[in-house]
Amino acid sequence: DQQVKQNSPSLSVQEGRISILNCDYTNSMFDYFLWYKKYPAEGPTFLISISSIKDKNEDGRFTVFLNKSAKHLSLHIVPSQPGDSAVYFCAASLNNFGNEKLTFGTGTRLTIIP
Amino acid sequence: DSGVTQTPKHLITATGQRVTLRCSPRSGDLSVYWYQQSLDQGLQFLIQYYNGEERAKGNILERFSAQQFPDLHSELNLSSLELGDSALYFCASSPARGLGNTIYFGEGSWLTVV
Repeated sequence: DQQVKQNSPSLSVQEGRISILNCDYTNSMFDYFLWYKKYPAEGPTFLISISSIKDKNEDGRFTVFLNKSAKHLSLHIVPSQPGDSAVYFCAASLNNFGNEKLTFGTGTRLTIIP
Repeated sequence: DSGVTQTPKHLITATGQRVTLRCSPRSGDLSVYWYQQSLDQGLQFLIQYYNGEERAKGNILERFSAQQFPDLHSELNLSSLELGDSALYFCASSPARGLGNTIYFGEGSWLTVV
């Protein structure tokens, strides 16, 4: 049972445009959400997070939006840069401590086209 | 460099064999996590140790076991290996408790079972 789903395995975006990565979840008890970025031959690195009490969190070029009623979150990257090409994982946690038993999605491979 | 060290980086072994994957957490981190990433799958949480004690358990097979030693390094033991155990195994560490952004992943150990 995949509780966190990323339905787009891949996404290609022109450099300078906006990249939008989507994530859906089924467990309404999740209350903390994170995005991780992974380059080849490296482990995932934390990118941005959002608590369920918020609907938006911004960090530079990265913004995460949370729609609790739809059980949907998205990551916006604007403007997209070639260095953003990586696999992005959405993850969810059952408590605000976040780092216990994260449930990950299957990832979306983002390719930024120069 | 996340500060989390995993060895070996690559391992090829035959079905039925037993292997041990090793993880050294970041200095000062008390929690260690093990995740499995199979082909086209997200990261599946296996198990978490906190200061030597098992704290949370995920979808870890009975053929797999782990432990965290007094010096806080951890080992994941995989026995009676099957072809389906071929995967990338990540170790991650974090301080005692905190938000998800404090999880740091190692580069992973590639296990190929032939």
